[in-house]
Amino acid sequence: QSALTQPASVSGSPGQSITISCAGSSSDVGAYNFVSWYQQHPGKAPKLIIYDVTYRPSGVSNRFSGSKSGNTASLTISGLQAEDEADYYCGSYTSSNTDVFGTGTMVTVL
Amino acid sequence: QVQVVQSGAEEKKPGASVKVSCKASGYTFTHHAVHWVRQAPGQGLEWMGWLNTGNGNTRYSQRFQDRVTITRDTSANTAYMELISLRFEDTAVYYCARRDGRTLDSWGQGTLVTVSS
Repeated sequence: QSALTQPASVSGSPGQSITISCAGSSSDVGAYNFVSWYQQHPGKAPKLIIYDVTYRPSGVSNRFSGSKSGNTASLTISGLQAEDEADYYCGSYTSSNTDVFGTGTMVTVL
Repeated sequence: QVQVVQSGAEEKKPGASVKVSCKASGYTFTHHAVHWVRQAPGQGLEWMGWLNTGNGNTRYSQRFQDRVTITRDTSANTAYMELISLRFEDTAVYYCARRDGRTLDSWGQGTLVTVSS
């Protein structure tokens, strides 16, 4: 199972919106609506911010939103804030009853 | 509240094995699967495998199939991940995480495993 493909880095100015893509295949992202997104600050454990493509856990800012089209999922961060600077990973359930993560995206707030 | 607490850092020699524990609290342990994920220094997340805490069934990444074993002790609400035949490149932070539905909603703090001669 190959890792899902994400851009290595994305940047934006405070207040702007950015979108991170997560490209998979018909065996993972495209097969089910079981895509999650995780935020990871340096030295910390990952934190769930989006699950089942579009749902936000309680307590997660509504500036984070998710979507999917075909084999590609996306995470949008609107109203970018300094605290959003972190690494972001997508994850998907697969048709082999396993999970797979994306390659990770470093978000920089300019 | 849901908590997942892992065992402390380990330093091992090449060829040795390591067993990391993951203790759950605040929920019914056997109602949620546990996944293991690792992250090498400066690298991304890598999925290793998962455990059905109810019946003990497991599913592993092909990459670790021959070297990893995930088990549980339901009386202690604890899951374990054992990795054998350690190599230098197994140096990483190892995370366990609770699965809710098809997502990993609660993560342990991570356990640093260093493989060094």
